[in-house]
Amino acid sequence: IQLTQSPSSLSASVGDRVTITCRASQGISTYLAWYQQKPGNAPKLLIYATSTLQSGVPSRFSGGGSGTDFTLTISSLQPEDFATYYCQQFDSYPPTFGGGTKVEIK
Amino acid sequence: EVQLVESGGGLVQPGGSLRLSCAVSGFTFSDHYMDWVRQAPGKGLEWVGRTRNKANSYTTEYAASVKGRFTISRDDSKKSVSLQMNSLKTEDTAVYFCARGGSTYREFDYWGQGTLVTVSS
Repeated sequence: IQLTQSPSSLSASVGDRVTITCRASQGISTYLAWYQQKPGNAPKLLIYATSTLQSGVPSRFSGGGSGTDFTLTISSLQPEDFATYYCQQFDSYPPTFGGGTKVEIK
Repeated sequence: EVQLVESGGGLVQPGGSLRLSCAVSGFTFSDHYMDWVRQAPGKGLEWVGRTRNKANSYTTEYAASVKGRFTISRDDSKKSVSLQMNSLKTEDTAVYFCARGGSTYREFDYWGQGTLVTVSS
């Protein structure tokens, strides 16, 4: 199952509302997760099962969608949110990741 | 505190072998599935493989790109998981992360810091 993220990069300001889209090549039920990765660091799980917030993740992050179309929304972008974001599906083997969305400072 | 620490990366020639290890602490290792995920320099994430827990007979799954060349094993008594990599190719060059399978077994909830494997002559 292929995952296509859009946009591949975006520029935004602190306080902006940001939405990243992940489209699957076929329906994937609710088994969609989102990760944040900063340069030189491991990915960090933000959201799993489409919309469940991982423990300790700020509530400004939210996830939604169904079928083939999913979104990650950051309600008010903070300085520490500038990073690359990946979606990941695990509806079936092998689990796959999207190509990433780099969120940069405007 | 959950911790995963990889080791064993380095430079290896094409066709060679390398064994990576991941030592964990801060959780009941034997309950969890464990995965390996890699990231080529400047690229995205690619799942490598998984070992299930004892309750699921320690069975394994692999990505097509590594099946038959890589082997995942675990030692619950030592709280460690290993990735044996044989017949290495230049395209295997990447940072290799070990990751813990999450509560639904469909996500990776904790990751190590990664270890770099470079396959080059």
